[in-house]
Amino acid sequence: RKEVEQDPGPFNVPEGATVAFNCTYSNSASQSFFWYRQDCRKEPKLLMSVYSSGNEDGRFTAQLNRASQYISLLIRDSKLSDSATYLCVVNLSGGYQKVTFGTGTKLQVIP
Amino acid sequence: GAVVSQHPSWVICKSGTSVKIECRSLDFQATTMFWYRQFPKQSLMLMATSNEGSKATYEQGVEKDKFLINHASLTLSTLTVTSAHPEDSSFYICSAPGQGFKSDYGYTFGSGTRLTVV
Repeated sequence: RKEVEQDPGPFNVPEGATVAFNCTYSNSASQSFFWYRQDCRKEPKLLMSVYSSGNEDGRFTAQLNRASQYISLLIRDSKLSDSATYLCVVNLSGGYQKVTFGTGTKLQVIP
Repeated sequence: GAVVSQHPSWVICKSGTSVKIECRSLDFQATTMFWYRQFPKQSLMLMATSNEGSKATYEQGVEKDKFLINHASLTLSTLTVTSAHPEDSSFYICSAPGQGFKSDYGYTFGSGTRLTVV
């Protein structure tokens, strides 16, 4: 089993739709979780951290389910500019330790 | 916010030559730098972790004699691909733990280097 697993997609959704991605992780000791966005041929950029209580940033909502070992990202009212690959990132121990990246989920928002 | 400057952005080199990639932290001190490689349609794979003033830690399967990492100062880490071959063609990217970056332990990435070996 991969340490961090994501459905590669692509998810093709119309503008205005709501879309959700899940990411599962294998190590129950993992402590920090992030969603990054990567545009084609660019570096990843932090979208949001994922907190135990769940957190929201505008149209984006992140959730953590420790019991089932997955995190999720919900995007409401999709925009064309949301088209990108969304990377799930897990840090085993917290702090400035190395992280493990999922393969990413590709989202294409269609006009 | 924290910025990591990576150069060059892209490079084309002949097989057998060496290529040096630099990553500089512009407004903070990066005691640690992670080096990743990403092949098309694949995830970022950690190659090695460099620490200022000490030897780098390489991930399993990464040849330390081929991928030389130097972290001589708190603001500069370099990766040298020695005797590059076409199979080394990839997107190389560095990342430093964000210093004072939202206090959420995010990581700041360089803009990446696309290496093509012909």
